[in-house]
Amino acid sequence: GAGVSQTPSNKVTEKGKYVELRCDPISGHTALYWYRQSLGQGPEFLIYFQGTGAADDSGLPNDRFFAVRPEGSVSTLKIQRTERGDSAVYLCASRGSGNTIYFGEGSWLTVV
Amino acid sequence: AQKITQTQPGMFVQEKEAVTLDCTYDTSDQSYGLFWYKQPSSGEMIFLIYQGSYDEQNATEGRYSLNFQKARKSANLVISASQLGDSAMYFCAMSPDSGYSTLTFGKGTMLLVSP
Repeated sequence: GAGVSQTPSNKVTEKGKYVELRCDPISGHTALYWYRQSLGQGPEFLIYFQGTGAADDSGLPNDRFFAVRPEGSVSTLKIQRTERGDSAVYLCASRGSGNTIYFGEGSWLTVV
Repeated sequence: AQKITQTQPGMFVQEKEAVTLDCTYDTSDQSYGLFWYKQPSSGEMIFLIYQGSYDEQNATEGRYSLNFQKARKSANLVISASQLGDSAMYFCAMSPDSGYSTLTFGKGTMLLVSP
């Protein structure tokens, strides 16, 4: 597709379980971002990739959160030992050579 | 650190009228970028408009214009001739180094356009 694609669109998981969220950026975009959006809030930065490497992971809340982008395209956000407070929309975005960052529709995570 | 403040939780406007959504920011960076995004109920963040801190002219994109007042650190979004489809959440955001880095978002303003 032409835009940023995220899967799954919705995920319900039990507290303590492991979750993976996938992001397929716009073809050719080297920069990829993960954000988290809680209800009634703006998105909060988690991690930024330039190519395969994490250029800035200062937004990851703790060591239960990890993200990879092994081939510089698709990225996976991994959450271990999920907690109810992890429930949010996880947004992925990508950027090409310009200054515009394009977002996907998000993965809605609910931890019960 | 950067901070974005959107003081209007909700705004109402009638179709075909213009509306201004407020945004103020705080940063110690000399070079930065300012963005507005629209988020309809589907959840996707849709890019609307960008203003670089060194751009002398206010940015315009169709019905959207950004009223950039650098001394006041404000970057208000003006939507002219509102349409029903403009009903959505609107987020102001900024990034350091004119947009080549991460975005810091405000809490958003919900805009409702009535017939």
